[in-house]
Amino acid sequence: EPEVTQTPSHQVTQMGQEVILRCVPISNHLYFYWYRQILGQKVEFLVSFYNNEISEKSEIFDDQFSVERPDGSNFTLKIRSTKLEDSAMYFCASSEDIFLAKNIQYFGAGTRLSVL
Amino acid sequence: GEDVEQSLFLSVREGDSSVINCTYTDSSSTYLYWYKQEPGAGLQLLTYIFSNMDMKQDQRLTVLLNKKDKHLSLRIADTQTGDSAIYFCAESKRSNDYKLSFGAGTTVTVRA
Repeated sequence: EPEVTQTPSHQVTQMGQEVILRCVPISNHLYFYWYRQILGQKVEFLVSFYNNEISEKSEIFDDQFSVERPDGSNFTLKIRSTKLEDSAMYFCASSEDIFLAKNIQYFGAGTRLSVL
Repeated sequence: GEDVEQSLFLSVREGDSSVINCTYTDSSSTYLYWYKQEPGAGLQLLTYIFSNMDMKQDQRLTVLLNKKDKHLSLRIADTQTGDSAIYFCAESKRSNDYKLSFGAGTTVTVRA
C-alpha cells in the first residue's frame, strides 16, 4: 500500500541552525500538508501546498518557515533559524485531491525535531 | 470557529467495547475523521464519515454522527491490547482546503 515517507525520523539541532525536513508524498497525490505536534499538545496545521504554491498557512507558519517541492517527488519544510519552541513532531500528509472522497489525508510517521 | 473536544482518557477491559466521544463546534464541517497514534508512531487513518451520513461501520469500528448535537463517536468492538493508543478526532471543511483540525486525543488503555 502506498505511504507517505518522512526523513529523518529524528533530527537534533542547535538553536539558530537551519533544518530541512523531508517528505515523499504518495505518488499520485496533488495536495500536501505539514502539521506539527508539540509534546502533549494537539496536532496543529502549519501549511497546505498545491500546484507549487502555498494555498493556506496558519499563524504558526511565519517567515522562519518555508516549503518547497524541489522535484517531482519530494516535499520539504525548512525552518531557517530554529528556536527552542520549534521542538515538536512534524507530520507530512498528502491527499489525492480536495474534492469528494479524494481529500482524505494520509500521514507519514513524522520527524521528531529536538532543538537544543 | 474550529474547536474539537475529546475526553482525555479511557480505560477498557480486553474484549469489551470502547466508545470514544468527540464534539465539534463548526457546523460547516464536511468530513470527520478518526486517526490512531501508537507510541512513537505517526497518525494512522482509521475511518472517516461525511457530514451527510449518520453512521458508518467498518469491521470492528462503528462511527456515529449526530449533526444536531455536533457529536461524533467511535465504537471499537471486542477491544484488543493492540487497540491501546491515542485516538484523535478531526474535522475538515471545504472552505479552507480541508485542512484538519484535531482534538487533543483520547488515550485508550486496554487492560487484561
